[in-house]
Amino acid sequence: DVKVTQSSRYLVKRTGEKVFLECVQDMDHENMFWYRQDPGLGLRLIYFSYDVKMKEKGDIPEGYSVSREKKERFSLILESASTNQTSMYLCATNSPSGETQYFGPGTRLLVL
Amino acid sequence: AQSVTQLGSHVSVSEGALVLLRCNYSSSVPPYLFWYVQYPNQGLQLLLKYTSAATLVKGINGFEAEFKKSETSFHLTKPSAHMSDAAEYFCAVSGSNQGGKLIFGQGTELSVKP
Repeated sequence: DVKVTQSSRYLVKRTGEKVFLECVQDMDHENMFWYRQDPGLGLRLIYFSYDVKMKEKGDIPEGYSVSREKKERFSLILESASTNQTSMYLCATNSPSGETQYFGPGTRLLVL
Repeated sequence: AQSVTQLGSHVSVSEGALVLLRCNYSSSVPPYLFWYVQYPNQGLQLLLKYTSAATLVKGINGFEAEFKKSETSFHLTKPSAHMSDAAEYFCAVSGSNQGGKLIFGQGTELSVKP
């Protein structure tokens, strides 16, 4: 089974803080994704990466950056957290065929 | 461009009743279609997927969905709801040439009454 882990289940940060959300997958997959989930909006893609050191903007990249230094790890960075970034953040990776995405358990971030 | 619309943000059924969650999509390329389920405080789990094989797709936990190209629909059904089916359900679409990027619907929360 594919395992996707996220560094924290819950985080509380203050406005203006720099926040790192880490995601690790154990299947040597090339593609990794970061989504945020908000009630009534479903999941929206923030950034994705097709390989080490490669990144592409998703639908809502503003206020976020990412880092992919190793194949198994994909980090989401909030340079200066704001209250409107309070959300659930989900990391995913997909199978080599690209058909199926596997999700981590999510990190619920509260920015005060 | 691709998009997904889930009709009804909340659906409530009685235990033992039919579950029907609606999903319509738009896609300019042959689509892959997915249903995911999310239980409280958990990530998303794949229920089933359509990838251009059989149009009637069977998934886990007794769910199935039918791809209807003429209606651009991929509705999720289960003949008899169980209390453990209470969760949020997401429909998603991906193009066959899009590297696995998914576009999600808004989600439908399913409640099951005893």
